[in-house]
Amino acid sequence: GQNIDQPTEMTATEGAIVQINCTYQTSGFNGLFWYQQHAGEAPTFLSYNVLDGLEEKGRFSSFLSRSKGYSYLLLKELQMKDSASYLCAVRDSNYQLIWGAGTKLIIKP
Amino acid sequence: DTAVSQTPKYLVTQMGNDKSIKCEQNLGHDTMYWYKQDSKKFLKIMFSYNNKELIINETVPNRFSPKSPDKAHLNLHINSLELGDSAVYFCASSQDLEVGELFFGEGSRLTVL
Repeated sequence: GQNIDQPTEMTATEGAIVQINCTYQTSGFNGLFWYQQHAGEAPTFLSYNVLDGLEEKGRFSSFLSRSKGYSYLLLKELQMKDSASYLCAVRDSNYQLIWGAGTKLIIKP
Repeated sequence: DTAVSQTPKYLVTQMGNDKSIKCEQNLGHDTMYWYKQDSKKFLKIMFSYNNKELIINETVPNRFSPKSPDKAHLNLHINSLELGDSAVYFCASSQDLEVGELFFGEGSRLTVL
């Protein structure tokens, strides 16, 4: 079966750096997405990786290793507003999106 | 201008009733989706429509029926509501099935009493 694993919950301190990992086992691979979802709101797109390596976008970066079935989202200079759930999703060979259950990130002052 | 809009935002109803949720996107996208997010926050795909044609129909009960009058609209009708249908339903769209990220509507929180 297809599976995406990410930690359920993480805690970090304001101003620090946090890395949220995602491992996947899917039928084929056509890209990996990271989304942010604040409580009570819709998911919003953060990043997309289809080739190995690091994609940087401001304070957020996302890394992909296709051979290892692994990605991470790196958040720098954490702010209180970064408290949210972070969802990893993989597009499989049928272009279907497979979603992880999300990682709830708690930022403490 | 809201890219993906869905109505109503909140819906409280009794078991056995029938209800509809409407969705519209003004992004010119070819593909639209309905997702269900339960209390555990897991996003589950229900339906995908590409240019008004159903292309993915996950194993959802046939009480749920999507209707797409044109490629900018994808409505969800639910018959004979059950307690387990209580969830947040998200509409989303993407450029097409193979390309582009998903843009989500604000969600419709359905509570069945």
